Amino acid sequence: GQQVMQIPQYQHVQEGEDFTTYCNSSTTLSNIQWYKQRPGGHPVFLIQLVKSGEVKKQKRLTFQFGEAKKNSSLHITATQTTDVGTYFCAGGAGAQKLVFGQGTRLTINP
Amino acid sequence: KAGVTQTPRYLIKTRGQQVTLSCSPISGHRSVSWYQQTPGQGLQFLFEYFSETQRNKGNFPGRFSGRQFSNSRSEMNVSTLELGDSALYLCASSLAGLFSTDTQYFGPGTRLTVL
Repeated sequence: GQQVMQIPQYQHVQEGEDFTTYCNSSTTLSNIQWYKQRPGGHPVFLIQLVKSGEVKKQKRLTFQFGEAKKNSSLHITATQTTDVGTYFCAGGAGAQKLVFGQGTRLTINP
Repeated sequence: KAGVTQTPRYLIKTRGQQVTLSCSPISGHRSVSWYQQTPGQGLQFLFEYFSETQRNKGNFPGRFSGRQFSNSRSEMNVSTLELGDSALYLCASSLAGLFSTDTQYFGPGTRLTVL
């Protein structure tokens, strides 16, 4: 079945450093969604990408969908303590259900 | 619109007992999915219900079951609890469910502790 792998599993950075998490699917996706879960909270939707090669930005966050629609990345520029949390990607593929990656837990040293 | 609500928020049970968790989706949403989250294990998919029918099921033993009512509210039940069932149980609702491009709206979760 469809698998969505996310790396790294953990990332610790100094405040102000950049951060990137990668999401790879075993199958071609029709869309990819990104969610953020703050410590003690629940996953909250950030963005959805549907087009090959699509790039979307939300302030310091940049989301990319690969040309082959099998991978995606989330890049945070100049991290702040408010960026702490676990970032999940979730891939959907037509007749297959949305599948979540394992998440990347980001911790930040102020 | 009110968000997804889950009750209870916290639960302590002992091994061998059973538990029922409840999820009320956003008004108008017909899909409810359940996930188990443990430290370091990400979101483990349990099952999805859409219009009272189970559409998909994850790789969990038969002790885990669920149902959905005509008002889209959903319950999940875990029987014969084991220590390893201690986790945060999250439900997520959406209009058309996991087989669409719909956003998933998560509830705050039920923290289950099995002693």
